[in-house]
Amino acid sequence: AQTVTQSQPEMSVQEAETVTLSCTYDTSESDYYLFWYKQPPSRQMILVIRQEAYKQQNATENRFSVNFQKAAKSFSLKISDSQLGDAAMYFCAYRSPLYGGSQGNLIFGKGTKLSVKP
Amino acid sequence: GAVVSQHPSRVICKSGTSVKIECRSLDFQATTMFWYRQFPKKSLMLMATSNEGSKATYEQGVEKDKFLINHASLTLSTLTVTSAHPEDSSFYICSAREDRYNEQFFGPGTRLTVL
Repeated sequence: AQTVTQSQPEMSVQEAETVTLSCTYDTSESDYYLFWYKQPPSRQMILVIRQEAYKQQNATENRFSVNFQKAAKSFSLKISDSQLGDAAMYFCAYRSPLYGGSQGNLIFGKGTKLSVKP
Repeated sequence: GAVVSQHPSRVICKSGTSVKIECRSLDFQATTMFWYRQFPKKSLMLMATSNEGSKATYEQGVEKDKFLINHASLTLSTLTVTSAHPEDSSFYICSAREDRYNEQFFGPGTRLTVL
């Protein structure tokens, strides 16, 4: 079974600085998808960024980028120029490919609470 | 982006009563929907996978007779918590997997409090 581990329960960053959130996963599959979700106090899950395992290029979305190391099974999220609105819980998630019998459910890590200091 | 709604957003009920939570995909079809449960300051735990027109698949440890799931159309799945007890109090989140591109979208969640 696949597992996702986030080893940082809490992180803090100064406004305008850069922070990196860690995520490792365990799987025997070669094809899969990885995600970072943001959950603000409203508790609405918001997709931040996604990465397909077959792509070597790291995904980027504006101030958010990932460092995907497939061999190391590592998927960290870098937030540049941190803003007060970035304060939230961040969850790393894994999804198996649909052709393998999976129905596409997400496996979540325990989350990292990010605080942004003004 | 695609929108998923949940109703109600918050419900308080007495112990022993049943509560129904609706999850709707507003602008796309979703053959498959998922129900998650989230305890305070914890991660999301998958409860069950709901497929239109067939029985839901429950995760190990989730009582299917307590958490009834019905997915009667391509845009609606319901979760009914039967004979609710205080330990069922939690935040319930649904998500819908869009049929065309397999993207998954989350509802805003339902906070259930059982007195």
